[in-house]
Amino acid sequence: SQQGEEDPQALSIQEGENATMNCSYKTSINNLQWYRQNSGRGLVHLILIRSNEREKHSGRLRVTLDTSKKSSSLLITASRAADTASYFCATGTTPLVFGKGTRLSVIA
Amino acid sequence: DTAVSQTPKYLVTQMGNDKSIKCEQNLGHDTMYWYKQDSKKFLKIMFSYNNKELIINETVPNRFSPKSPDKAHLNLHINSLELGDSAVYFCASSQGAGVNSNQPQHFGDGTRLSIL
Repeated sequence: SQQGEEDPQALSIQEGENATMNCSYKTSINNLQWYRQNSGRGLVHLILIRSNEREKHSGRLRVTLDTSKKSSSLLITASRAADTASYFCATGTTPLVFGKGTRLSVIA
Repeated sequence: DTAVSQTPKYLVTQMGNDKSIKCEQNLGHDTMYWYKQDSKKFLKIMFSYNNKELIINETVPNRFSPKSPDKAHLNLHINSLELGDSAVYFCASSQGAGVNSNQPQHFGDGTRLSIL
């Protein structure tokens, strides 16, 4: 069955605001990855956090991982219209299993 | 330069036809994948190859047959297309030997298959 579940399914914010997306999963993992998918394009890898890490940053992205709660969050700070996309978490099992994604709309 | 490229980008065909999708990666990766993304954006792995060898074959009808002539190419042939095959098919690749889920995957832009 599906491993990762993103929440919310859709999120609409104003430019400049922060966007937070959550991911929950069911079984033990080696790592958790976040991907972005722009409309009509393939997925682009954003960040990978290993199971022994609690937080990771990359530019305006901040990812946290709580293995005790089997959850992760992706925070995008100071959002821009160009951040409008679907965001997927993928758990590092074999094979990699993707959630259904959060559709983020950033309104200028 | 495009890292993972798929052709064609769009494929519209009749039920019952046979079609192929091609994928090439120029990243020097060892592992390649085929995924199917349905209308609800759910992305599900179909196959994975490592260095031309099939290592993952999820529950996929045997009408779908992958072929990897070399480690830079992974093609997907579909026989007797059905309405339910309509979806976006993504090719991806990653570094490392075997199904190394610790490595990021690089995706192509997808092939939009529509069955009439």
